[in-house]
Amino acid sequence: SQTIHQWPATLVQPVGSPLSLECTVEGTSNPNLYWYRQAAGRGLQLLFYSVGIGQISSEVPQNLSASRPQDRQFILSSKKLLLSDSGFYLCAWSGDPDATNEKLFFGSGTQLSVL
Amino acid sequence: QKEVEQNSGPLSVPEGAIASLNCTYSDRGSQSFFWYRQYSGKSPELIMSIYSNGDKEDGRFTAQLNKASQYVSLLIRDSQPSDSATYLCAVGRSNYQLIWGAGTKLIIKP
Repeated sequence: SQTIHQWPATLVQPVGSPLSLECTVEGTSNPNLYWYRQAAGRGLQLLFYSVGIGQISSEVPQNLSASRPQDRQFILSSKKLLLSDSGFYLCAWSGDPDATNEKLFFGSGTQLSVL
Repeated sequence: QKEVEQNSGPLSVPEGAIASLNCTYSDRGSQSFFWYRQYSGKSPELIMSIYSNGDKEDGRFTAQLNKASQYVSLLIRDSQPSDSATYLCAVGRSNYQLIWGAGTKLIIKP
């Protein structure tokens, strides 16, 4: 069966510090991978998605970036965190992104607090 | 602006009663409709998906879709305290075009 791992679970970082969140998927090949952010009381906001190694699509211009160095690894990064980067970050995977009936499976999430 | 709207709640329902959650959307081209459950501090978990007009039942859950009126609803029968969570509605044309509602907080009172 497929599993998705995301770490760390919580993170407290000072403003201006770098960020690296990692997500890996097991039990499937060539998954489509997503990074979402959820602010308190808000809906999920898609940040990045990837359909293959090195292929990254950005949905929201910001100081965050994503990379997919391996088939089942997805990394979210920032060189300098802002206060507004605080939130609950979720990695997810699915099958064909063009399909209309593919389920999203989420990792356990990272609660990021930028102080 | 494509939107998905949900009443933020909280919606308080007695144990054993039917909980009714509603979601409206603006994009008439939407083809996929999902309900996710999210416990506090946890990640969302898919509980129902629906793609055509009408009702879809799965255990105690029933999803209802009306594309003409642009709404999708979720009914939870025989509500249990473990159903207390935030329910997120997601609507879209594909997985990378999903638009998410802010969620409705449901409280089941014993």
